[in-house]
Amino acid sequence: AQSVTQPDIHITVSEGASLELRCNYSYGATPYLFWYVQSPGQGLQLLLKYFSGDTLVQGIKGFEAEFKRSQSSFNLRKPSVHWSDAAEYFCAVDDYKLSFGAGTTVTVRA
Amino acid sequence: NAGVMQNPRHLVRRRGQEARLRCSPMKGHSHVYWYRQLPEEGLKFMVYLQKENIIDESGMPKERFSAEFPKEGPSILRIQQVVRGDSAAYFCASSPGLTGANVLTFGAGSRLTVL
Repeated sequence: AQSVTQPDIHITVSEGASLELRCNYSYGATPYLFWYVQSPGQGLQLLLKYFSGDTLVQGIKGFEAEFKRSQSSFNLRKPSVHWSDAAEYFCAVDDYKLSFGAGTTVTVRA
Repeated sequence: NAGVMQNPRHLVRRRGQEARLRCSPMKGHSHVYWYRQLPEEGLKFMVYLQKENIIDESGMPKERFSAEFPKEGPSILRIQQVVRGDSAAYFCASSPGLTGANVLTFGAGSRLTVL
């Protein structure tokens, strides 16, 4: 079965600083990978997805992620964080049903 | 084009009562997934349904939980004789087909509190 690990439970960044969230997956073949964001009390919104092709994927809200097969990773990045980026971020891998990591909570300080 | 609609958004039940959570998928979507999010945890898959069929219920607790997606109407997640441990956010997602090629769209969730 596919699985996802998000090593960082909580990250605090300053507004304007860069952000990188780690995600490692376990799967034999090329996986379908996703990043979702959840604001407090809200549902999940898709940030970006990787199916195949270019390993650098652009998403909404200025986010990007890079698929690295050699490291089994799909890390999410944003060059300059805004206060509105404070949320919980979930990496997910697809095996016809999404399997989610435990999530990383991002706090943005002024 | 409305998204995935879940109701109620908040539900309070006493121990032993029944909870019914409803999910209307996006228009044109025939696949529905239910997930549960316990406090401070990620989302755990519960069940995957197509119209009138349960495809995968490997994440459903063996007792008290059931789900359906009838030919007409919303999908229903039913929890009988609720206990405090059932307090969680329950999310529904829909897709037009098998995931991988299709992306799940999530509802805003139903938050169940068991007193």
